[in-house]
Amino acid sequence: GESVGLHLPTLSVQEGDNSIINCAYSNSASDYFIWYKQESGKGPQFIIDIRSNMDKRQGQRVTVLLNKTVKHLSLQIAATQPGDSAVYFCADQGNSGNTGKLIFGQGTTLQVKP
Amino acid sequence: DGGITQSPKYLFRKEGQNVTLSCEQNLNHDAMYWYRQDPGQGLRLIYYSQIVNDFQKGDIAEGYSVSREKKESFPLTVTSAQKNPTAFYLCASSNREGTLHFGNGTRLTVT
Repeated sequence: GESVGLHLPTLSVQEGDNSIINCAYSNSASDYFIWYKQESGKGPQFIIDIRSNMDKRQGQRVTVLLNKTVKHLSLQIAATQPGDSAVYFCADQGNSGNTGKLIFGQGTTLQVKP
Repeated sequence: DGGITQSPKYLFRKEGQNVTLSCEQNLNHDAMYWYRQDPGQGLRLIYYSQIVNDFQKGDIAEGYSVSREKKESFPLTVTSAQKNPTAFYLCASSNREGTLHFGNGTRLTVT
């Protein structure tokens, strides 16, 4: 079946280091991918997205890389700060063609050590 | 400021009772969605609506019902038929470009 998964449930990094959160997806027809950040007790917050016609997209301190050959997505956070501590989800729209009908991975908890 | 409002933040109900969760948006988005989140898991789609007076089942619609009488509002009813209703419920809306915006959720506890 279709799934979106993250490789590690928890990632612990030192403040100031770079963080890399990985995600694998199974549907080769997926053409839209998103990363969300969720803080405790809140809804997910959009970080960055990428379409399948790109392999890299940069935002403020964040970069998403897409490798369609191996169906792998990663989120890189530069100079990680305590405020980056949260659960990070990757999601994709699968076959739906509807960018609101997303399939979410299980999430990676990022812990930033001072 | 614009956004999605879910109320209440915490909700407690006895088993066997129906309960309705509120979701209002002032982003002028056509599409609205309900997702369910269980501890340590990702979100799963319950129902969605792409236009007023129309809605579709998501992946886990059994035991839930919705209505979309107004563009701004998309209430979710958790019925007594839902076997495991205790969860964190998230409402979202999206614009034509499709970016999903979430509310801050309602945590429902059924005992």
